Amino acid sequence: GAVVSQHPSWVICKSGTSVKIECRSLDFQATTMFWYRQFPKQSLMLMATSNEGSKATYEQGVEKDKFLINHASLTLSTLTVTSAHPEDSSFYICSASQGGDHQPQHFGDGTRLSIL
Amino acid sequence: GQNIDQPTEMTATEGAIVQINCTYQTSGFNGLFWYQQHAGEAPTFLSYNVLDGLEEKGRFSSFLSRSKGYSYLLLKELQMKDSASYLCAAINSNYQLIWGAGTKLIIKP
Repeated sequence: GAVVSQHPSWVICKSGTSVKIECRSLDFQATTMFWYRQFPKQSLMLMATSNEGSKATYEQGVEKDKFLINHASLTLSTLTVTSAHPEDSSFYICSASQGGDHQPQHFGDGTRLSIL
Repeated sequence: GQNIDQPTEMTATEGAIVQINCTYQTSGFNGLFWYQQHAGEAPTFLSYNVLDGLEEKGRFSSFLSRSKGYSYLLLKELQMKDSASYLCAAINSNYQLIWGAGTKLIIKP
């Protein structure tokens, strides 16, 4: 149980394009999902906490107009990177927990985004 | 401030035992997770400790001492597939997850 699916796995696109990444909890309901970014050989960096039915909570330094998060249902959250530029190239990973503050976060497989 | 300290890199031999340490300073504490992350992949959950002591799961065990702000992950009978980064993450009083930078474990034959 506790499977999180993330799509797409790879995206290569031109600068200025907007890219949408989907994160789905397949066998449980997730009121909260998390979006991370990871550069090569660096630790996970939390970008935002996505709450079902309300606005996402962004970490300091993360532009909310740049990284749009929508958590429309208990099983789906989306991250849209708007007008992407080469510096946005990174590994983006979502996670969700089954509920309860002591539950582990289960991660999607990640999306490798390359902006040309 | 809040931070997690763990070694950047460790090397061990196939079949041996290795212990990866983690110390944490957080505003309050509600438990600690260990995750495994292979290169280019997302992290996978290994263990959760909230009470003092050792939790054993097959070849992997995790230990916690709340009074010392210290945890370790013990890997036995190392296999080549155990080569990965191991991430320590502590939950603070606001139930935020504070991540360590990870320990890259290299297994040699």
